[in-house]
Amino acid sequence: GAVVSQHPSWVICKSGTSVKIECRSLDFQATTMFWYRQFPKQSLMLMATSNEGSKATYEQGVEKDKFLINHASLTLSTLTVTSAHPEDSSFYICSARALHRDRGPDTQYFGPGTRLTVL
Amino acid sequence: ELKVEQNPLFLSMQEGKNYTIYCNYSTTSDRLYWYRQDPGKSLESLFVLLSNGAVKQEGRLMASLDTKARLSTLHITAAVHDLSATYFCAVTNTGNQFYFGTGTSLTVIP
Repeated sequence: GAVVSQHPSWVICKSGTSVKIECRSLDFQATTMFWYRQFPKQSLMLMATSNEGSKATYEQGVEKDKFLINHASLTLSTLTVTSAHPEDSSFYICSARALHRDRGPDTQYFGPGTRLTVL
Repeated sequence: ELKVEQNPLFLSMQEGKNYTIYCNYSTTSDRLYWYRQDPGKSLESLFVLLSNGAVKQEGRLMASLDTKARLSTLHITAAVHDLSATYFCAVTNTGNQFYFGTGTSLTVIP
């Protein structure tokens, strides 16, 4: 099956620094990738939709200047948390949508997640 | 705004028992997904339900969808410890964005 990777798996950083998280579709092309945030014991919340070659669409309440998303190629989207603070500590999960033109509905594949801890 | 609610939020059940988790959603959606998440891990896809009346089964888990009632169920049969995890349902909108339910944390005790 399709595989989505994230890098790094976990990161610890100091408050005020920026952190970049990569999401890659390894064996398929993904025109659309999604970024989610999950706080402990909570559900996944969609942060933004990332489309290759265009600006990301952010959900209400998500600061686009703080969470920079770049979808530079059909296999890579990056999320940069700028000037991170302890309240940004969370589990960040990406998903990539694979188009199966001959197999029915689109399918999304989820990455393994990146755990961010801001001290 | 599309809302997805699950019931119950927490569930502790003995091995061998049966139980059903419910997922209600607020607006029309033509796809419903069920996922499993183990602690510290990402999501594992369990089922995709595409039409009214759809029923899918895998091992001790069975999922069904009633689009008219905007309700999906995940039925657990003869629970075993390995089923302990958090289960999420999710629906998609026309933009293929996922909206996840609140999650049900299941603990199966011997």
